[in-house]
Amino acid sequence: SAVISQKPSRDICQRGTSLTIQCQVDSQVTMMFWYRQQPGQSLTLIATANQGSEATYESGFVIDKFPISRPNLTFSTLTVSNLSPEDSSIYLCSVEKTGNTGELFFGEGSRLTVL
Amino acid sequence: AQSVAQPEDQVNVAEGNPLTVKCTYSVSGNPYLFWYVQYPNRGLQFLLKYITGDNLVKGSYGFEAEFNKSQTSFHLKKPSALVSDSALYFCAVRVGASKIIFGSGTRLSIRP
Repeated sequence: SAVISQKPSRDICQRGTSLTIQCQVDSQVTMMFWYRQQPGQSLTLIATANQGSEATYESGFVIDKFPISRPNLTFSTLTVSNLSPEDSSIYLCSVEKTGNTGELFFGEGSRLTVL
Repeated sequence: AQSVAQPEDQVNVAEGNPLTVKCTYSVSGNPYLFWYVQYPNRGLQFLLKYITGDNLVKGSYGFEAEFNKSQTSFHLKKPSALVSDSALYFCAVRVGASKIIFGSGTRLSIRP
């Protein structure tokens, strides 16, 4: 299994500011995934982050709004820029279990509230 | 379009009774199917998966799921529900090489 630590666990931000979420994994992984989950709702994939290359963004998500860094095989950050109340969500980092099984491990999430 | 659907927002079951949480999918090729559970204020936890082989797969906490290709379904089941099973359950399917998409979720409530 993989242990994933996310920081911050929650934050309250003012509109127009930015928040950077950190994701640390206890083992080296090729791909890291960032999801958004609005309270009580489903998960939506924002982007896939590979080490050494630009992240791959899903439809409806753009790099200017959600810049991602992936400096090494155990760490990634997601920034949510120019915050608006619509960005209030839980942001989840996840990695795939070794062996290309499709099974994902998730961090506990970062709950963002934008005022 | 490839998708996964959970037709029930909420399922209510009495403790000790069997439970079923429904899931249907639409993907090209052979599906990789998953169930995840989310307890309050927690990240998602993997329950079980179907990739190939026996249509009935067993997972964590006594849960099992039945893959039905003709009905394109992957319903989650448990013979005897516990109050501690109350949580949000997500069905998911793998599309492409690595992308996982999730259903809308079903809130399972087990009453004592």
